[in-house]
Amino acid sequence: GQQLNQSPQSMFIQEGEDVSMNCTSSSIFNTWLWYKQDPGEGPVLLIALYKAGELTSNGRLTAQFGITRKDSFLNISASIPSDVGIYFCAGVPYNNNDMRFGAGTRLTVKP
Amino acid sequence: DVKVTQSSRYLVKRTGEKVFLECVQDMDHENMFWYRQDPGLGLRLIYFSYDVKMKEKGDIPEGYSVSREKKERFSLILESASTNQTSMYLCASRTDHTEAFFGQGTRLTVV
Repeated sequence: GQQLNQSPQSMFIQEGEDVSMNCTSSSIFNTWLWYKQDPGEGPVLLIALYKAGELTSNGRLTAQFGITRKDSFLNISASIPSDVGIYFCAGVPYNNNDMRFGAGTRLTVKP
Repeated sequence: DVKVTQSSRYLVKRTGEKVFLECVQDMDHENMFWYRQDPGLGLRLIYFSYDVKMKEKGDIPEGYSVSREKKERFSLILESASTNQTSMYLCASRTDHTEAFFGQGTRLTVV
């Protein structure tokens, strides 16, 4: 299946710092999605991107759909302790059926 | 409010047992997915279904089967559970043009 390379694998940051993570692939995707997972729970959608070049914000979160359709990034500004969790990117190919995930970025925020 | 419900939060089964993980969604979604989540590996797709009685193998289908007799229900079956199938299992559903919604996850331990 299509491989999504997500980086970094983990981040340890100070409260108030900005965070950036990204996903790349050798395949083209029709949709990019960013999820956050809290311990013991299922992932919850943060941002959905449907058009190449699209830049979308959700509060302190900003994500972009790469112009080549093969990459996406997520930025979190002014991090707070409740940002702690695992962040996943996901790509939906043009057949619109299956969906692949990156390995996740584990974020730790120190107060 | 959208809902994906997995039948159990925690399960402990013995090696060789047949195990059923059930997932129900109330959003009339065509597509349903089963993933397993292991540390450092992210979410790996086991099987997905794009319609009733239709199924497609994901990246790691070995040792698993699925059943989709009704649109709202997608079952994951471990024919003969093994210790290497100890994992967190996540079910998700989506339409063709929206993000996926996840259940709360089932943590399966095979002893």
